[in-house]
Amino acid sequence: AQKVTQAQTEISVVEKEDVTLDCVYETRDTTYYLFWYKQPPSGELVFLIRRNSFDEQNEISGRYSWNFQKSTSSFNFTITASQVVDSAVYFCALTPYTGANSKLTFGKGITLSVRP
Amino acid sequence: DSGVTQTPKHLITATGQRVTLRCSPRSGDLSVYWYQQSLDQGLQFLIQYYNGEERAKGNILERFSAQQFPDLHSELNLSSLELGDSALYFCASSVGWTGGVGYGYTFGSGTRLTVV
Repeated sequence: AQKVTQAQTEISVVEKEDVTLDCVYETRDTTYYLFWYKQPPSGELVFLIRRNSFDEQNEISGRYSWNFQKSTSSFNFTITASQVVDSAVYFCALTPYTGANSKLTFGKGITLSVRP
Repeated sequence: DSGVTQTPKHLITATGQRVTLRCSPRSGDLSVYWYQQSLDQGLQFLIQYYNGEERAKGNILERFSAQQFPDLHSELNLSSLELGDSALYFCASSVGWTGGVGYGYTFGSGTRLTVV
């Protein structure tokens, strides 16, 4: 069985602060994919990143960076110099690389509020 | 525009009624997934179709059913609606039978169902 835990439920920061969103996962699969999605107040799910279990290289994209550590089953997401537009719910998700069931298992989400 | 089209965007109906939600996948994608997002359950996988055939099933109620047509669009039918069925229903698509390959999953903007 797969499980994604986002222990933080709500985070509030002041604009320009850095913020890290935590994600811990459980899976028996040896190969899998991890995702982060953003859900702004308008409601749609916006894809941010996909990382496969073969690749533990961390990634930076603009103000976003991701830290994948297989040893601790964590896939954390950092926003540098946060902006009001970053206010949203952020979901971490997991899917097996192959197999009959390719559903995404989501965490409960973290509500991020960035105050001006 | 993500390329995945869901209609209608909003739906208000009474308990006991039946509704149909429609999803057109991104061009070239063969898989369609349905997810339900409710306040208490979070984002839950309902069902997946791949090239017209059911591929995986999640916690979908017997009152709910889905199908994927030859043109690859999909419909989710919800019947004998209850107040607890009020939720945001997302459709996602992927090129293969798993979102682990290609570009992953693309989500539509969702249908917000309110049962009164």
